Amino acid sequence: TQLLEQSPQFLSIQEGENLTVYCNSSSVFSSLQWYRQEPGEGPVLLVTVVTGGEVKKLKRLTFQFGDARKDSSLHITAAQTGDTGLYLCAGRDMRFGAGTRLTVKP
Amino acid sequence: GAGVSQSPSNKVTEKGKDVELRCDPISGHTALYWYRQSLGQGLEFLIYFQGNSAPDKSGLPSDRFSAERTGGSVSTLTIQRTQQEDSAVYLCASSLAVAGGQKQYFGPGTRLTVT
Repeated sequence: TQLLEQSPQFLSIQEGENLTVYCNSSSVFSSLQWYRQEPGEGPVLLVTVVTGGEVKKLKRLTFQFGDARKDSSLHITAAQTGDTGLYLCAGRDMRFGAGTRLTVKP
Repeated sequence: GAGVSQSPSNKVTEKGKDVELRCDPISGHTALYWYRQSLGQGLEFLIYFQGNSAPDKSGLPSDRFSAERTGGSVSTLTIQRTQQEDSAVYLCASSLAVAGGQKQYFGPGTRLTVT
């Protein structure tokens, strides 16, 4: 089982700021997924990354997969209050990290 | 089309009682997962079904927990002799066949409270 570490655990920022959250593993990911979960709902898939060094963009969200496929980051530009939620990463075995709880304040 | 549904949405039970939680996956999805999420925490993997293969039960926290999937569709998670530490949201997800890396579709969860 691949253990995933996410950091930071909590992040509180003002609207308009930029932020980056991380997902790391001691072993290589064959693929990695990022999900966002809003209160009272199940997680929703944001992106799947597969290739080392891959960068994917989803509007203001930029996802990077490390060259060695052991780490990934999610960068949000000009955060909005609607970005508030729990950001989770999952490996190919569908085990999840503990998540980063993001709060964007108006 | 219909997404993953779970029932009940909320369940309050007394310590020591048994509970059954139900998951209806998306039609045609052969993979089904159960997770547990305690308040403010991430997702804890419980069990995984894939087609007719033996389920991966490696995440079940104790022998009080069991799950079955009938006819490759509906799944039931059973918790026997519930304890207060079982209180959590239980999430079900389904995805298309074969290997991991497929998009998982989550249900809204069942919030279990053990008093």
